[in-house]
Amino acid sequence: KQEVTQIPAALSVPEGENLVLNCSFTDSAIYNLQWFRQDPGKGLTSLLLIQSSQREQTSGRLNASLDKSSGRSTLYIAASQPGDSATYLCAVFSGNTPLVFGKGTRLSVIA
Amino acid sequence: NAGVTQTPKFQVLKTGQSMTLQCAQDMNHEYMSWYRQDPGMGLRLIHYSVGAGITDQGEVPNGYNVSRSTTEDFPLRLLSAAPSQTSVYFCASSWDRTNTEAFFGQGTRLTVV
Repeated sequence: KQEVTQIPAALSVPEGENLVLNCSFTDSAIYNLQWFRQDPGKGLTSLLLIQSSQREQTSGRLNASLDKSSGRSTLYIAASQPGDSATYLCAVFSGNTPLVFGKGTRLSVIA
Repeated sequence: NAGVTQTPKFQVLKTGQSMTLQCAQDMNHEYMSWYRQDPGMGLRLIHYSVGAGITDQGEVPNGYNVSRSTTEDFPLRLLSAAPSQTSVYFCASSWDRTNTEAFFGQGTRLTVV
């Protein structure tokens, strides 16, 4: 059974700092990995999708990497801003079932 | 395109009542799924569908029914609501499981009293 773990569970950083969020998964036979953002009381917004054959994806200040063999992904956020404050969720698609999620990292960026 | 639309946004039920949570997508996606999100538990898969007429159970299916008569719609039925079903419910869709990103609705916040 696929399990996804995100570390840390919560993170507080000053504005402007670069930061890394970590995601690990137990079964490396994945089709893809997706990072989402969730604001309080809202739905999930897709940030980046990494196919199993890819090593990284970039969108603006966000960069996600994937090391499938070791079961790890990182989300790098450059020059953090207060508007980046949210919960970040990692999820993997493997086998025949839809996305399996980690419990998320709650990020606070302090102005 | 509206994307993934869930209705209602909020609902209060009494124990034992039944109701249907609606989910519709206008992207012609084959894959649709229902999750529930609870504090400390993350998002857990309830049921999913790989196409019209095909459904399967996820991690926490008990107390819920689904059907998929069209590509666009994937309703979730609570048969006899229990307080343990108080949660936020999300519907998601994607083209398939291998190459495309998943899109989520805005959620239905359900309280069972």
